[in-house]
Amino acid sequence: GEDVEQSLFLSVREGDSSVINCTYTDSSSTYLYWYKQEPGAGLQLLTYIFSNMDMKQDQRLTVLLNKKDKHLSLRIADTQTGDSAIYFCAEGGGATNKLIFGTGTLLAVQP
Amino acid sequence: DSGVTQTPKHLITATGQRVTLRCSPRSGDLSVYWYQQSLDQGLQFLIQYYNGEERAKGNILERFSAQQFPDLHSELNLSSLELGDSALYFCASSGGAGGTDTQYFGPGTRLTVL
Repeated sequence: GEDVEQSLFLSVREGDSSVINCTYTDSSSTYLYWYKQEPGAGLQLLTYIFSNMDMKQDQRLTVLLNKKDKHLSLRIADTQTGDSAIYFCAEGGGATNKLIFGTGTLLAVQP
Repeated sequence: DSGVTQTPKHLITATGQRVTLRCSPRSGDLSVYWYQQSLDQGLQFLIQYYNGEERAKGNILERFSAQQFPDLHSELNLSSLELGDSALYFCASSGGAGGTDTQYFGPGTRLTVL
């Protein structure tokens, strides 16, 4: 079946690194995505990783993919208060291009 | 700004009514997707259109329908509304129909059914 799970909440101090984790079940997913949702706003694409990659770095963001364990993580270096938001992982690209979203992780950054 | 526009931003209506949500994709994108975000169901895929044709269907109720017009904008029609239909409805667009196309999301329409 299709199921994407995330922990619900993460609290970090400003300047620390944040690691948000995600597990997924559909091994046919071609891409895995991270989206950010700020209060009252839409979904902003942060980054994505192709399923045959292990790691992707994009400025302060590092995505790690363990395909064997179907585990995806997003590391945000030097976390800022502006990073406070809900972060969704999503799998896509299988038989259709529909995205299967996780439950979202609320990241709270303490000053 | 993703380039995807949605109107209206907010919609308040009563049970039993019908509403239409509108989406304009990014310039050049041929695919439009609709998603529903609610507290109990999370973010769920509803339906995809590619170049005017229905491409994929998700957990879309029979009371809901969608279409994509020749100018590629899309409308999501919700009828016989129930309290449980209150949610944030997102539209996304991508260049093609394939499994490798990144989706860019609009700001959403918040529907409140009273």
